[in-house]
Amino acid sequence: DTEVTQTPKHLVMGMTNKKSLKCEQHMGHRAMYWYKQKAKKPPELMFVYSYEKLSINESVPSRFSPECPNSSLLNLHLHALQPEDSALYLCASSQDLVLDTQYFGPGTRLTVL
Amino acid sequence: QKEVEQDPGPLSVPEGAIVSLNCTYSNSAFQYFMWYRQYSRKGPELLMYTYSSGNKEDGRFTAQVDKSSKYISLFIRDSQPSDSATYLCAMSAWGDSSYKLIFGSGTRLLVRP
Repeated sequence: DTEVTQTPKHLVMGMTNKKSLKCEQHMGHRAMYWYKQKAKKPPELMFVYSYEKLSINESVPSRFSPECPNSSLLNLHLHALQPEDSALYLCASSQDLVLDTQYFGPGTRLTVL
Repeated sequence: QKEVEQDPGPLSVPEGAIVSLNCTYSNSAFQYFMWYRQYSRKGPELLMYTYSSGNKEDGRFTAQVDKSSKYISLFIRDSQPSDSATYLCAMSAWGDSSYKLIFGSGTRLLVRP
């Protein structure tokens, strides 16, 4: 099973809302990632978790708050987003950061009104 | 200069053609090289990954890495219309307390029936 699942598939939210994106994998991977992808651009790395600890934060605004409750789950909490945050949010996982071939989920398409 | 350069295309070929996709990079620290395929409005799908210089073959796909020239390629034999997608190269390096993963900008491929 090389599947990474993400929910919801689509999300529309206002600038004052609080919402969460969820990601799950059951491959026993110990590294998980959040990416943001705008139309016709490559994915941009946001956060990296390794062994459930935040390893990398690519200077992402604090309105994005990641959480790794356990080795299979990764959440991205959203609060007070801006319309320019509308994008496809991708989750990925890899065995670990050294053997880092990443497997991606289908993404959550977020629209901020 | 970007660390990873990839021609955005679009690249249009007839069905059955051999397709050659390429990326160049400037950072000799990159250790892991990956190729992803991304269909419109979907997450990237891993096609190939390599750790060392040389060729790696999987079905109709061959990945080639030349670390001395800082050049990687993906060849697609007997291309099919279903291969029409954006192809992203990606490369990563894990150093002392730091991690870097960079995607190319993606090459859009169209295989004409």
